[in-house]
Amino acid sequence: QMQLQESGPGLVKPPGTLSLTCAVSDGSITDSNWWSWVRQPPGKGLEWIGEIHHGGNTNSNPSLKSRVTISVDMPKNQFSLALSSVTAADTAVYYCARHLVTPGTRGFDLWGQGAMVTVSA
Amino acid sequence: ETVLTQSPGTLSLSPGDRATLSCRASQSIRSSYLAWYQQKPGQAPRLLIYGASTRATGIPDRFSGSGSGTDFTLTISKLEPEDFAVYYCQQYVISPPGYTFGQGSKLEIK
Repeated sequence: QMQLQESGPGLVKPPGTLSLTCAVSDGSITDSNWWSWVRQPPGKGLEWIGEIHHGGNTNSNPSLKSRVTISVDMPKNQFSLALSSVTAADTAVYYCARHLVTPGTRGFDLWGQGAMVTVSA
Repeated sequence: ETVLTQSPGTLSLSPGDRATLSCRASQSIRSSYLAWYQQKPGQAPRLLIYGASTRATGIPDRFSGSGSGTDFTLTISKLEPEDFAVYYCQQYVISPPGYTFGQGSKLEIK
């Protein structure tokens, strides 16, 4: 059964760059076409950050687009998120997620456990 | 920009009750692009329903989704203790490509 695991620093100083990696295990990153990052500030709802195709194409939330870089490392079977110029408002649990492969549908059918990232000086 | 509005914000029910949660879009969306998730405290979201009405793998049949256009509903026919959680709807937007979530509905024990 495929698993996703986020990793990265739990504390980032502003206005630095938040960097996270999602490792895909017990399966291949080519098992799904698209992979996403989603975040959740403490006590709040879910916000989609962006997605990447295993071929390298990306899309991002327009509200974050200028600060988001998502990349994929096929040999390492992982994908990564970089969020630049962070502020306290970027403090959140960050999740990686796998997209459904059912044609014509959308949704995220597998999630990582989440990584808490705090932005503070 | 299409906004998803979920109601009620909080629903207080007892085990065995029927729960009905609403997700309303500010403009018509494609049913195949509407999904529902369940999230329990300290856990990642779990996909319940995709394509507005198709249960994801392993989801009990007490969960059902319906709707089209701008109005979508998640129904839990007979609440089990483990169903008390926060529920989110999600849509896929074609242009620019991306996803948005509703603000969530909390289902709590009465």
